[in-house]
Amino acid sequence: GAGVSQSPSNKVTEKGKDVELRCDPISGHTALYWYRQSLGQGLEFLIYFQGNSAPDKSGLPSDRFSAERTGGSVSTLTIQRTQQEDSAVYLCASSFHSQETQYFGPGTRLLVL
Amino acid sequence: GIQVEQSPPDLILQEGANSTLRCNFSDSVNNLQWFHQNPWGQLINLFYIPSGTKQNGRLSATTVATERYSLLYISSSQTTDSGVYFCAVGVHGGTSYGKLTFGQGTILTVHP
Repeated sequence: GAGVSQSPSNKVTEKGKDVELRCDPISGHTALYWYRQSLGQGLEFLIYFQGNSAPDKSGLPSDRFSAERTGGSVSTLTIQRTQQEDSAVYLCASSFHSQETQYFGPGTRLLVL
Repeated sequence: GIQVEQSPPDLILQEGANSTLRCNFSDSVNNLQWFHQNPWGQLINLFYIPSGTKQNGRLSATTVATERYSLLYISSSQTTDSGVYFCAVGVHGGTSYGKLTFGQGTILTVHP
């Protein structure tokens, strides 16, 4: 079946603009995760969804970052008033249940000018 | 929070050689996964292995949870094995049930 998909694959934006990143998890997977990968910080956890609720938002770096998940499926990560330090690859993963194998999407490469 | 250390940071091999990658972690875990990130950036799950030993073709992994380490073995390496290998762990309890903490990775280069 289809894997995790993310869109857009690349996004270039100007400092101060808002961006929305989308993740479509594997069908039937109840757990969804957002991570961020940057040269200086490696792979960092951002937020975890179980169904539509987010019991762990501990990795969101500031209140400019928010995420939602609807219908137990698609998730959107929104970054408001983007800053240059937000430039990174944003990765989404899903698993059938939490604490199980996580499957990653191809990522969205965000560049803030 | 939990610390994850991987070694070596870089590894260069000739095709056909064997290698062992190590992952040490600082606390008890109930989730440990090994990933390969290919040169195009895609993360591929290799093993879900919070304890014990698993094998998949030329790859195998062993986790000794009581001693807080995991090993990934690559035998008869091929150029397509090149990339970055990540170890990631999840800890017990609270709301952190799904979160993975990643090590810094081992960069593997296999020459023909």
